[in-house]
Amino acid sequence: NAGVTQTPKFRVLKTGQSMTLLCAQDMNHEYMYWYRQDPGMGLRLIHYSVGEGTTAKGEVPDGYNVSRLKKQNFLLGLESAAPSQTSVYFCASGLNSYNEQFFGPGTRLTVL
Amino acid sequence: KQEVTQIPAALSVPEGENLVLNCSFTDSAIYNLQWFRQDPGKGLTSLLLIQSSQREQTSGRLNASLDKSSGRSTLYIAASQPGDSATYLCAVSGDRGSTLGRLYFGRGTQLTVWP
Repeated sequence: NAGVTQTPKFRVLKTGQSMTLLCAQDMNHEYMYWYRQDPGMGLRLIHYSVGEGTTAKGEVPDGYNVSRLKKQNFLLGLESAAPSQTSVYFCASGLNSYNEQFFGPGTRLTVL
Repeated sequence: KQEVTQIPAALSVPEGENLVLNCSFTDSAIYNLQWFRQDPGKGLTSLLLIQSSQREQTSGRLNASLDKSSGRSTLYIAASQPGDSATYLCAVSGDRGSTLGRLYFGRGTQLTVWP
């Protein structure tokens, strides 16, 4: 039982490049979330999903897209990376609104 | 919008002390409150989850209380150890008018326990 896993762990991009971050969970959770963590800002919600095939915008969605084609996977895409997207990205999952959320180990992204 | 505040921002104590970390939130319509621990450069480890109907939860040397009506929670750490050094994050799930259950985070309390 791996819980929530994220790939890659680290990545360096040049401005304008694209990439996809993968989040996978093996707990059969319906709800999945992408957060970013920046110094002095706390964690902020980027996008979320309440089930397979559904996605919605969170607090800071600009510059990101997401997809949830399979229940266990939640992908975060950056189409044209900008230095402002330098951050640590965390994925989380939960059974429903009321239960504990479990977090992945994070992806540290640097955009030059 | 739900806002979460943690006080103090940083705390440095000698080993063995009992200590209290504070968390406050602006909207009492929450589903639950979670306390997390984050070590430098690492992910979030869930410590305690308190449902909105509960008053407290305990795990080992940790005790978390919740006063939903006043929008406050405290994390009590007994007999602190150097291994407790980390950043402690408070997060609440839910706010008025939302069924999403997303977490709203405070900025954390950075704890240092010295030998």
